[in-house]
Amino acid sequence: AQSVTQLDSQVPVFEEAPVELRCNYSSSVSVYLFWYVQYPNQGLQLLLKYLSGSTLVKGINGFEAEFNKSQTSFHLRKPSVHISDTAEYFCAVSGYGGATNKLIFGTGTLLAVQP
Amino acid sequence: DTGVSQDPRHKITKRGQNVTFRCDPISEHNRLYWYRQTLGQGPEFLTYFQNEAQLEKSRLLSDRFSAERPKGSFSTLEIQRTEQGDSAMYLCASSLGANQGSETQYFGPGTRLLVL
Repeated sequence: AQSVTQLDSQVPVFEEAPVELRCNYSSSVSVYLFWYVQYPNQGLQLLLKYLSGSTLVKGINGFEAEFNKSQTSFHLRKPSVHISDTAEYFCAVSGYGGATNKLIFGTGTLLAVQP
Repeated sequence: DTGVSQDPRHKITKRGQNVTFRCDPISEHNRLYWYRQTLGQGPEFLTYFQNEAQLEKSRLLSDRFSAERPKGSFSTLEIQRTEQGDSAMYLCASSLGANQGSETQYFGPGTRLLVL
């Protein structure tokens, strides 16, 4: 079974500052890792995903994430945030090569960008 | 590509009533998923279909919940005898269906259910 921990429920940050949203996972098998963003009253949109290969993954809107197998982490970063980045961010995993395709989500981190 | 659509977007019902939600996936997608999201939580998996076959159901999906995808296109999620604990956002997602686990799931806007 897999699980995802997002330690920070809220991250306040000033506009143009860098930000890191933390994600740790637990799994007995190899996993695929995802970051989704949810704007108010909308569905989830994929930011980026790690399947294999380079541990640094670049996504949309200037976000990137680094897979660290030894620390079982997949932290999301952006060097300079905008007001429009204010949203809920969810880290998720799915099992590698398994029969299931379900995503296991963390509880989310609210990124609140202040002017 | 019009994306995943869900109907209705909002539903208010009284406890004990039945409700049905519809999801229309992206047209060429073979896989369709249902998730439930309560306030302050991430989405939780309910069930998924490969074409018309329901391949996995979460234990969250009690006997009062039933999902169908009769022709492998749209899907419906029905909740019978609703309870206040059913109040949540119900999200539908779809994916191509070509690879196990690694595919991007595209989410609809959700149906927000409030049970009074």
